[in-house]
Amino acid sequence: AQKVTQAQTEISVVEKEDVTLDCVYETRDTTYYLFWYKQPPSGELVFLIRRNSFDEQNEISGRYSWNFQKSTSSFNFTITASQVVDSAVYFCALYSGNTPLVFGKGTRLSVIA
Amino acid sequence: DTGVSQDPRHKITKRGQNVTFRCDPISEHNRLYWYRQTLGQGPEFLTYFQNEAQLEKSRLLSDRFSAERPKGSFSTLEIQRTEQGDSAMYLCASSSGLAGGGYTDTQYFGPGTRLTVL
Repeated sequence: AQKVTQAQTEISVVEKEDVTLDCVYETRDTTYYLFWYKQPPSGELVFLIRRNSFDEQNEISGRYSWNFQKSTSSFNFTITASQVVDSAVYFCALYSGNTPLVFGKGTRLSVIA
Repeated sequence: DTGVSQDPRHKITKRGQNVTFRCDPISEHNRLYWYRQTLGQGPEFLTYFQNEAQLEKSRLLSDRFSAERPKGSFSTLEIQRTEQGDSAMYLCASSSGLAGGGYTDTQYFGPGTRLTVL
């Protein structure tokens, strides 16, 4: 069965610090997709990235970067020079086996000014 | 291009009442999804439409829940005889359907409807 584990329930950092959010996934399929979403206090999930299992290249988008490692079944998310506006709950999600998206429980990030 | 919209944003109801939520997807997105999210959890899949066809339903969708997408555009989710355990955020998402299989598309979410059952 598909599973996503976000072991960090809550993280607090001081503004301008770097922070990494961990995501470990489980699937028996060789083809799968991984996603990260941000949920600010307003409640709407904001799409951040989609990555398929055949593309292990790490990705950088501004202050955001993602490290995909199939060997450890991880898809970690790093925010560089964090800002107060980054405070939110971040979800990692997995699609595989033609079943609906499975989300982790999320990591609540608090960035303190 | 406007995003996914949901109405109402908040709903308070008494146990036993029926409630209906509406979701308007991004225009021309032919796939629409409903999720439920309880406190401290990630979204849990409820059901999925491709155009007007409801293609999959989760076991979470008991017989008190019904979803429709009559013209392949907006969708409604109705909960009959609400129970306190139905209190949750109900999220709607849509996707373009261009990426192939049912769940490989990127899903774009609305702001959700927060339901409180007293």
